[in-house]
Amino acid sequence: DAEITQSPRHKITETGRQVTLACHQTWNHNNMFWYRQDLGHGLRLIHYSYGVQDTNKGEVSDGYSVSRSNTEDLPLTLESAASSQTSVYFCASSETGVRYEQYFGPGTRLTVT
Amino acid sequence: GQQLNQSPQSMFIQEGEDVSMNCTSSSIFNTWLWYKQDPGEGPVLLIALYKAGELTSNGRLTAQFGITRKDSFLNISASIPSDVGIYFCAGGAGKSTFGDGTTLTVKP
Repeated sequence: DAEITQSPRHKITETGRQVTLACHQTWNHNNMFWYRQDLGHGLRLIHYSYGVQDTNKGEVSDGYSVSRSNTEDLPLTLESAASSQTSVYFCASSETGVRYEQYFGPGTRLTVT
Repeated sequence: GQQLNQSPQSMFIQEGEDVSMNCTSSSIFNTWLWYKQDPGEGPVLLIALYKAGELTSNGRLTAQFGITRKDSFLNISASIPSDVGIYFCAGGAGKSTFGDGTTLTVKP
């Protein structure tokens, strides 16, 4: 069965370190998205991609970067982790033409100490 | 940017009761979607609405796309304990914008 996976599921890191969160989908979807979820803020869009080599900034992109070298993967990198980036991160994907119907991964809980 | 106001923020209901929640915005959306998130998991799509005035059901769930395209409603009939979770609305116009969620607690 097709799926979307995230790794690691839990991560503790120190302030200033570079961290990469992995997202892998086997739906063969062109569209992929990264969100962060904080209490009281719902889901906020960090970065998104509509295909290989395409990346775009979302509403809270500062301090984060992504790259899309193939259809299946969209890794999220925190360049220099800050305590304000402690959050739960969700990756999602959707088909071309129905970009709003998104399939979400299980999430990565990141703690920056 | 676009913002969605989702209400209520939380609900505590008795098993068997009906539930209503809504999302409003000052912006027009082309699509309205409703997701449910169980504890420790990612959101799962429940219903997608694509036309103003559209009314769509999925089992005990019914959602409507407001005529003005600035709001949407979700109703759950005869709630059961497994309905517990966070319900998110999302509006689609270019990108998806999510509401802050309604946390539903169902008492047996």
